[in-house]
Amino acid sequence: SQTIHQWPATLVQPVGSPLSLECTVEGTSNPNLYWYRQAAGRGLQLLFYSVGIGQISSEVPQNLSASRPQDRQFILSSKKLLLSDSGFYLCALRGGAGGNNEQFFGPGTRLTVL
Amino acid sequence: DQQVKQNSPSLSVQEGRISILNCDYTNSMFDYFLWYKKYPAEGPTFLISISSIKDKNEDGRFTVFLNKSAKHLSLHIVPSQPGDSAVYFCAASKGNAGNMLTFGGGTRLMVKP
Repeated sequence: SQTIHQWPATLVQPVGSPLSLECTVEGTSNPNLYWYRQAAGRGLQLLFYSVGIGQISSEVPQNLSASRPQDRQFILSSKKLLLSDSGFYLCALRGGAGGNNEQFFGPGTRLTVL
Repeated sequence: DQQVKQNSPSLSVQEGRISILNCDYTNSMFDYFLWYKKYPAEGPTFLISISSIKDKNEDGRFTVFLNKSAKHLSLHIVPSQPGDSAVYFCAASKGNAGNMLTFGGGTRLMVKP
């Protein structure tokens, strides 16, 4: 079965510091991977998605970036965090090779920028 | 431009009664719709989905209805249980290379015992 790991689970960082959030998946190969952010009291905003190694598409302009160095690894980064980067970051993968578009989510990382 | 909207930020229902969560969309190209349930500090979990070729899909206590002409879908939970208390997100997708989901803002459901 598919498993999504995210770490760290929680993170408190000062404004201007760098960021690296990691997502790894198991039980699948060549998945589509996604990074979402849920800001306080708001819905899920798609940040990046990747259909393969080294392939990243950005959905919103921001000071965040993503990389996919390996098939089952997806990394979210920032060189300098802003207060507005605080939120709950979720990694997801698209399940199945068929026509269904269900995405399965990891446990998330709670980021607080002070 | 918010393509998927959940106009009710919260809903309170008595245990045993029906919960109806609504979702509206604007993009007629969407052809697959999903509902997710989310507890605090956890990732969303997939609940139920429906393809645009159907108007109803049922799974146990959960039924999703799709009205394409109105660009409206709803999730019915019958009977509602206290454990159903969570935030519910609807999502929509259209056939493309990334199979991306567009999420609504969520509705917080509170089921009172």
